[in-house]
Amino acid sequence: QVQLVESGGGVVQPGTSLRLSCAASGFTFSTFDMHWVRQAPGKGLEWVAVIWYDGSYQYYADSVKGRLTVSRDNSRNTLYLQLNSLRVEDTAVYYCARDPRAQHLDLWGRGTPLTVSS
Amino acid sequence: SYVLTQPPSVSVAPGMTAKITCGGDDIGSYSVHWYQQRPGQAPLLVVYDDMDRPSGIPERFSGSNSGNTATLTISRVEAGDEADYYCQVWDSRGDHFVFGPGTQVTV
Repeated sequence: QVQLVESGGGVVQPGTSLRLSCAASGFTFSTFDMHWVRQAPGKGLEWVAVIWYDGSYQYYADSVKGRLTVSRDNSRNTLYLQLNSLRVEDTAVYYCARDPRAQHLDLWGRGTPLTVSS
Repeated sequence: SYVLTQPPSVSVAPGMTAKITCGGDDIGSYSVHWYQQRPGQAPLLVVYDDMDRPSGIPERFSGSNSGNTATLTISRVEAGDEADYYCQVWDSRGDHFVFGPGTQVTV
């Protein structure tokens, strides 16, 4: 079954760190670029980051640059998002999504919710 | 950075046609992609590269793009089409994905 399953979200305090994971199955993970997109409660979609299929390049939204790091392990078919110095405004559902190297997202996970609150 | 605009809401009667616009400076020179997000669900790609449909998306969904406006058209609207719709482009100047603010379609 072709799917993406995110995990690792929860409730954390401001200033802490967290790593989100996205497990891919049913397709050749190493041939797709992968993205993280987030959605704050009641808000629209916000693109966060992309990592190329081979991990050679990563690009980030200006709002998260320097605090978030995207990585992947193609041997484990897993995508990661390391979030550091978390802020209240990082509260959102975090989605991972697949990009067939064509600048659009053709498969999304169900998302993992993250709440940053004291 | 590149900015996309969308109307906040569109209301349409069942069986009629809904048109959702996405505005941007010379957006006709970009490839525009559209996503549907039903309440409580993850987004779903419904149109890519301006006018192509992924497998499984009904022909009722179509797209166009020219000048400063891209349009997603939903023909013969059904109750199940009620959702938020987002346009998206790749801004190669900044190596960023850009999403529009979204349009809530009410049937």
